[in-house]
Amino acid sequence: DAKTTQPPSMDCAEGRAANLPCNHSTISGNEYVYWYRQIHSQGPQYIIHGLKNNETNEMASLIITEDRKSSTLILPHATLRDTAVYYCIGGMNTGFQKLVFGTGTRLLVSP
Amino acid sequence: EAGVTQFPSHSVIEKGQTVTLRCDPISGHDNLYWYRRVMGKEIKFLLHFVKESKQDESGMPNNRFLAERTGGTYSTLKVQPAELEDSGVYFCASSHRDRAGYGYTFGSGTRLTVV
Repeated sequence: DAKTTQPPSMDCAEGRAANLPCNHSTISGNEYVYWYRQIHSQGPQYIIHGLKNNETNEMASLIITEDRKSSTLILPHATLRDTAVYYCIGGMNTGFQKLVFGTGTRLLVSP
Repeated sequence: EAGVTQFPSHSVIEKGQTVTLRCDPISGHDNLYWYRRVMGKEIKFLLHFVKESKQDESGMPNNRFLAERTGGTYSTLKVQPAELEDSGVYFCASSHRDRAGYGYTFGSGTRLTVV
């Protein structure tokens, strides 16, 4: 599984876009990038995943660089409820995937 | 659909006692996983069931931990005897068979405190 590197913490003003970076320079060609988050006192929550194309769903957008060595999770209009620890995880998209959580990025959304 | 349910939400036990955690996955999810976060550490994988079979238990810390999933429905994780270092939050997750690394649904966890 690819090793990922994320900043330990970030701040964002409510209503603004939150852009969370992740470096995964060792990711292999068939490994996906998954994003999960953990809101305080809850279990981790799946957000989005992608291989090489940009992806968007109702929660967020995922921008993956062309060389696939890094990606950015975008929360377009952050709310206070988006305050959480965000995890970028590399892994395959077939078979069983053991999620390897790193230390993640603690995002604080302020009024 | 109902989410993943874990019981109890909190448990405080004395060192040497036994504790059993329960997880009810989403109905129809063949895959069931246990993870845990001990104090100050990252969330770590413990084991994976496919239906009632243990697919991977490489993350189980030692033989004081026993997981079962009788009938391929709910699962239990027993710690016997509990030690201080077992304190932490134990998460259960479930997914459809072919969901690989995405679409896992986690429960809210059981916070275990061993005193």
